[in-house]
Amino acid sequence: AQKITQTQPGMFVQEKEAVTLDCTYDTSDQSYGLFWYKQPSSGEMIFLIYQGSYDEQNATEGRYSLNFQKARKSANLVISASQLGDSAMYFCAMREGWAAGNKLTFGGGTRVLVKP
Amino acid sequence: EAGVTQFPSHSVIEKGQTVTLRCDPISGHDNLYWYRRVMGKEIKFLLHFVKESKQDESGMPNNRFLAERTGGTYSTLKVQPAELEDSGVYFCASSQERTNSPLHFGNGTRLTVT
Repeated sequence: AQKITQTQPGMFVQEKEAVTLDCTYDTSDQSYGLFWYKQPSSGEMIFLIYQGSYDEQNATEGRYSLNFQKARKSANLVISASQLGDSAMYFCAMREGWAAGNKLTFGGGTRVLVKP
Repeated sequence: EAGVTQFPSHSVIEKGQTVTLRCDPISGHDNLYWYRRVMGKEIKFLLHFVKESKQDESGMPNNRFLAERTGGTYSTLKVQPAELEDSGVYFCASSQERTNSPLHFGNGTRLTVT
């Protein structure tokens, strides 16, 4: 079974509008972390935001926020006020267990194209 | 601080040849990972070092792949002999020993096997 599922392979968003990228996950661990990364066309992987399974509040980092619904096992990324530079691939990833060094498992990614 | 550095950025080799990829992690990061993304597919875990020790190599596809981390500093990933299906982007990442510590990725090495 897929551990991380991103159901939207690609989407368009109008500049200055908000966009929500879906991510659902599957784990039997009580302790886990969820990460979002951005990969622009230049290829580097840029860390955006982190949500721990025990965090009571949704994580926010500037224009990025994470809509964490633990019971539904979803961790959707919301980008507010989209900018042209937000056009990129976005990956959701999960680290299972307590150990800080545990590997990340990635979803298939969502390609976002911001239209002017 | 300097980020994760990977070399080369691109490599084109023929089937049967050998290629060695290098990764320099962020200084002080004990955790070092190798990942691979084959065209159009998911980013797949290959292996994880803690300092110089292999912590998890469950993602290594076969014995044509050999990873080392000398003295717990830089790491190399050798593919010998390379096959067509080895083509893809190889990412290296490093992280600190904290539960919420993200992986910091290098820019990747794009490997093309012809």
